[in-house]
Amino acid sequence: DQQVKQNSPSLSVQEGRISILNCDYTNSMFDYFLWYKKYPAEGPTFLISISSIKDKNEDGRFTVFLNKSAKHLSLHIVPSQPGDSAVYFCAASARGSSNTGKLIFGQGTTLQVKP
Amino acid sequence: ETGVTQSPTHLIKTRGQQVTLRCSSQSGHNTVSWYQQALGQGPQFIFQYYREEENGRGNFPPRFSGLQFPNYSSELNVNALELDDSALYLCASSPEPAGLGETQYFGPGTRLLVL
Repeated sequence: DQQVKQNSPSLSVQEGRISILNCDYTNSMFDYFLWYKKYPAEGPTFLISISSIKDKNEDGRFTVFLNKSAKHLSLHIVPSQPGDSAVYFCAASARGSSNTGKLIFGQGTTLQVKP
Repeated sequence: ETGVTQSPTHLIKTRGQQVTLRCSSQSGHNTVSWYQQALGQGPQFIFQYYREEENGRGNFPPRFSGLQFPNYSSELNVNALELDDSALYLCASSPEPAGLGETQYFGPGTRLLVL
């Protein structure tokens, strides 16, 4: 049962253009969502997060959009840079004692930004 | 402020053996979570420790166990290793349990190969 899905295994964009990474979830109890970036031989690095009470959060070139009715979130990177090439994971968590500490991750999307 | 560190970086074991992986959390972070990342997949939650007690567990058998110490270090122990235990093991720390909206910060991981 994959509660968090990233249906695109890979994405290739030109430097300077927009990168849009998508993520869908099934559990309506999720109330906090995060995006992580992972380079080879490194652990995931936190990028940006959003609480379910918001529909948009922006941090520099990175913006996360949340559509609760569609159970969908997306990460926009504008403008894309070659250094953004990495694997991107979305993750979700839910409040409640049985869920404490549990981040549910998608399978990841490999982004390649071409110079 | 130091980041999250893990040791060893790589490890090779044979089936049936036992292994101990180590993690040092960021100073001041009372929570440590462990994840298993198989090749081509997102990280999967194993368990979380908060103030030296287990505070949530994923779908992993009892042969996966952990310890957290007062000096922000922790261990993941796996008994009776199986071939499917081959994966990247990640630890992540946060000030409070992530279910309360806290971001988790990951170490670089330990890559375990079981032969």
